[in-house]
Amino acid sequence: AQSVTQPDIHITVSEGASLELRCNYSYGATPYLFWYVQSPGQGLQLLLKYFSGDTLVQGIKGFEAEFKRSQSSFNLRKPSVHWSDAAEYFCAVGGVRGANNLFFGTGTRLTVIP
Amino acid sequence: EAGVTQFPSHSVIEKGQTVTLRCDPISGHDNLYWYRRVMGKEIKFLLHFVKESKQDESGMPNNRFLAERTGGTYSTLKVQPAELEDSGVYFCASSQGRGAVKNEQFFGPGTRLTVL
Repeated sequence: AQSVTQPDIHITVSEGASLELRCNYSYGATPYLFWYVQSPGQGLQLLLKYFSGDTLVQGIKGFEAEFKRSQSSFNLRKPSVHWSDAAEYFCAVGGVRGANNLFFGTGTRLTVIP
Repeated sequence: EAGVTQFPSHSVIEKGQTVTLRCDPISGHDNLYWYRRVMGKEIKFLLHFVKESKQDESGMPNNRFLAERTGGTYSTLKVQPAELEDSGVYFCASSQGRGAVKNEQFFGPGTRLTVL
């Protein structure tokens, strides 16, 4: 079955530490890839997206993600986490079979320790 | 510019009752999407409107769910009668253009529905 997998349900990091959130997808062709963040009481906000070209994409709030075709992965990274990054992060895939909607993973909740 | 708004933010109802969720998209956005997240699971697509027309309703779980978008502005999602498994967070999103690839979907904060 086609799916988006975020293997880590909950991650805790210290402020200032680096962060990597994992995302794997299983679709036939190279899909279009997204990372969203949801802070408490807020809607999902787009952090970054990958369509084609350079496999390392830069996003807002200092985040970046790298597309690795051989691993079917699109991991999100940040070199130094801030307390305000505490939120839930969702990986998503779009353009599957021409559909307009997004397919999401189960999300990773990030806790930041002072 | 106002973002996508949803009302109510939280609704608690008993099994068998009816609930109506409302979504106001960003002004000028013709495309409106409903998604749902059941606790612990992924956010799943329900349906997609282009203006007042249902473009894709392949994600609607059953006929207890009815979505409308009269006049192509705000949308409502009615659940009647509600069942326990309908509990979750219902998200609305809107975009200017149609394709998910090139047209960013802007999400509302969601409505948390609890069915007792």
